[in-house]
Amino acid sequence: GAGVSQSPRYKVAKRGQDVALRCDPISGHVSLFWYQQALGQGPEFLTYFQNEAQLDKSGLPSDRFFAERPEGSVSTLKIQRTQQEDSAVYLCASSIQGGNYEQYFGPGTRLTVT
Amino acid sequence: GESVGLHLPTLSVQEGDNSIINCAYSNSASDYFIWYKQESGKGPQFIIDIRSNMDKRQGQRVTVLLNKTVKHLSLQIAATQPGDSAVYFCAALSGGYQKVTFGTGTKLQVIP
Repeated sequence: GAGVSQSPRYKVAKRGQDVALRCDPISGHVSLFWYQQALGQGPEFLTYFQNEAQLDKSGLPSDRFFAERPEGSVSTLKIQRTQQEDSAVYLCASSIQGGNYEQYFGPGTRLTVT
Repeated sequence: GESVGLHLPTLSVQEGDNSIINCAYSNSASDYFIWYKQESGKGPQFIIDIRSNMDKRQGQRVTVLLNKTVKHLSLQIAATQPGDSAVYFCAALSGGYQKVTFGTGTKLQVIP
């Protein structure tokens, strides 16, 4: 079946603009994760959902970052008042359920803040 | 917290040779480890995993070795091919939770 998809693939925003990044996980996957990957670095955990419940948001760098998954499937990562340091690739991953199951990653959204 | 690091940032190998990528982790409570491959413009792709009750696991052309005593794991790729060129990340998890801590990554370059 289809893998994890993310949209848009590329986003250019002027500093101060709000952006919304979408993630469509694999159908039926309970767990959903967002990561931020700076150039040349490994992905850094942002937040984790189990169904519609956001169980961990400890990785969100500031209160400008907000994630939701209202119906337990599609998720949106919103960044308000974007700053240049927000420029990165934002990766979404899903897995069947919790407990060390394999995470399947989407291709990411490359955000560039100018 | 967990700290996961890789010994070498770049590894160049001749096509057909074996590759070994090393990784150290800091949290002795880590009980599940994953190797990911990331090609340019794509998300990380699962390669192989190993649980802490094992010290070796083999897949197709890949082997992961785990040494819990020194908190070290390695990824061995047999008969490296050009398609293996990518950045490889190790990741460690603990407590049955899926918060994945990635290392910085090793770039594998395969020389034809």
